[in-house]
Amino acid sequence: GQNIDQPTEMTATEGAIVQINCTYQTSGFNGLFWYQQHAGEAPTFLSYNVLDGLEEKGRFSSFLSRSKGYSYLLLKELQMKDSASYLCAVRDGGGGNKLTFGTGTQLKVEL
Amino acid sequence: GAGVSQSPSNKVTEKGKDVELRCDPISGHTALYWYRQSLGQGLEFLIYFQGNSAPDKSGLPSDRFSAERTGGSVSTLTIQRTQQEDSAVYLCASSLELGGTEAFFGQGTRLTVV
Repeated sequence: GQNIDQPTEMTATEGAIVQINCTYQTSGFNGLFWYQQHAGEAPTFLSYNVLDGLEEKGRFSSFLSRSKGYSYLLLKELQMKDSASYLCAVRDGGGGNKLTFGTGTQLKVEL
Repeated sequence: GAGVSQSPSNKVTEKGKDVELRCDPISGHTALYWYRQSLGQGLEFLIYFQGNSAPDKSGLPSDRFSAERTGGSVSTLTIQRTQQEDSAVYLCASSLELGGTEAFFGQGTRLTVV
């Protein structure tokens, strides 16, 4: 099975940088995903890591260390619209596609 | 279709009634998932279909819950004898292929059991 931990909530200032951490303990691993979910809306895909290292996509970057069971999502130049829940999800190994989600980190961006 | 479509968007039902929730995945996507999200909570895995393989039902919370996927496309999640604790948003997602990347989510069905 999978056990995924992330902070429940975080607060940051507009224009700043915030790092949201995710740790996982899994029986198998075939990739880690970050999703963004605004209140009342469906989750939307942000990033995918399967190899160690940093993946950069505009203002968002995601890092993975498989040996440490650790990932983070880095958001730069924060905007008010970035206030949302950020969900870390791990995909099973063995060629399957099952995604297990953490409980999400509620980010509040303030002026 | 252009995206994952779920119906109904909202459903209010009386305790003890059966409900059916529908998911129409993105055309060509072989993997289909059902998740449940209670207020302020994360996504709870329910069931996963991949092509013609036997579904992974390990997340279904009780035998009142069942799901099927007909013709490798549309899926129906059925909850029998609904209870108040079944109230949640039920989200469906699909992805392109075995080992593919992101899963795309529908807007969900908000189920309220009164």
